[in-house]
Amino acid sequence: NAGVMQNPRHLVRRRGQEARLRCSPMKGHSHVYWYRQLPEEGLKFMVYLQKENIIDESGMPKERFSAEFPKEGPSILRIQQVVRGDSAAYFCASSLDRVNSPLHFGNGTRLTVT
Amino acid sequence: KQEVTQIPAALSVPEGENLVLNCSFTDSAIYNLQWFRQDPGKGLTSLLLIQSSQREQTSGRLNASLDKSSGRSTLYIAASQPGDSATYLCAVSVYNQGGKLIFGQGTELSVKP
Repeated sequence: NAGVMQNPRHLVRRRGQEARLRCSPMKGHSHVYWYRQLPEEGLKFMVYLQKENIIDESGMPKERFSAEFPKEGPSILRIQQVVRGDSAAYFCASSLDRVNSPLHFGNGTRLTVT
Repeated sequence: KQEVTQIPAALSVPEGENLVLNCSFTDSAIYNLQWFRQDPGKGLTSLLLIQSSQREQTSGRLNASLDKSSGRSTLYIAASQPGDSATYLCAVSVYNQGGKLIFGQGTELSVKP
């Protein structure tokens, strides 16, 4: 039973380009969360999705960031017109249900903006 | 606003020692508390999940306790080993924002052989 799969593991983008980060949840999990870990900072919640629906996006920057979790395929975190401050590790997690099950994390995508 | 604090920020112990990591949170309205381990350059591994109605959970050499009324949790590691070296994170699941975890800054543990 594969865990949460994230790709790519490392992504380098120049300022102004777009970054697309993919996450395939564990089999049977329909709840997906994205977190960001900035250098020397803790993990910060970004967005919570449940198949085709955004449940909570209170941690997402208002501009340039978007997330989706389509009926078929992986969840995508999209960052448009990247800036140096977007450089961070982006982690995806999935769970079986909303409150009773542990979150299982992927190994993250490390985004570097040059 | 929920805030999670972990003390100490870093800890170095000789192999074989028993140790305690501390986590405190400001709002007791939580669904659960989870302890994770993060190795350098890697993702998080879930260690223990304690529901808000529970007092403790055990897995092997790990024991986590929860005192919701005082906003505290501890992670006890028995007979520490060099392989336990990692950053340990605690996180609380915020009530009425189900699934959203608020993380502490972590405790970086180093176990010396």
